[in-house]
Amino acid sequence: DTAVSQTPKYLVTQMGNDKSIKCEQNLGHDTMYWYKQDSKKFLKIMFSYNNKELIINETVPNRFSPKSPDKAHLNLHINSLELGDSAVYFCASSQELASYNEQFFGPGTRLTVL
Amino acid sequence: EDQVTQSPEALRLQEGESSSLNCSYTVSGLRGLFWYRQDPGKGPEFLFTLYSAGEEKEKERLKATLTKKESFLHITAPKPEDSATYLCAVQAFDSWGKLQFGAGTQVVVTP
Repeated sequence: DTAVSQTPKYLVTQMGNDKSIKCEQNLGHDTMYWYKQDSKKFLKIMFSYNNKELIINETVPNRFSPKSPDKAHLNLHINSLELGDSAVYFCASSQELASYNEQFFGPGTRLTVL
Repeated sequence: EDQVTQSPEALRLQEGESSSLNCSYTVSGLRGLFWYRQDPGKGPEFLFTLYSAGEEKEKERLKATLTKKESFLHITAPKPEDSATYLCAVQAFDSWGKLQFGAGTQVVVTP
């Protein structure tokens, strides 16, 4: 199936731990994004990468570090997890940067920090 | 700063009862306005992109329209499977692809 996939779907961890979320798209897109959806269902962009280059970094704490090993993958590593990091994280991709193309979203990763 | 406001927050409809959702926006140079549908526990699913005032797009029972300050999503004769949260987002020309989302309208259609 052609799609944006994320692993894991659920992540439960303790405060202070470090965790990673992986994202892969097989749509042949050049641009990938990370969004955070909080408890009020508000979707907010965190990062975007175009051909492995960081384009958008939306005042996200340094504890969040995206990594793009190639243009089909964009991973999110989070250090020293805090309670406020609990949310659903969505990966998305689009064909080109800053174009008219729609963004396709993955199924989300629900992160719960205890 | 770009802003997107959706109303109402929630909408309960009887099957067949048509209605409209509103998305008001302020943006410095609109590249596009996007409508997405989100089902519980899933990622947003793309519905429409509108680029300029006066534009309309349709898909099954959904029709999206755009003016210079707002967009409407009309749901005609809804069915229970139209129940979802509908998200509106704007993209500005100088935003490097960033989508600014509204908080969404949760629609429940009862048989």
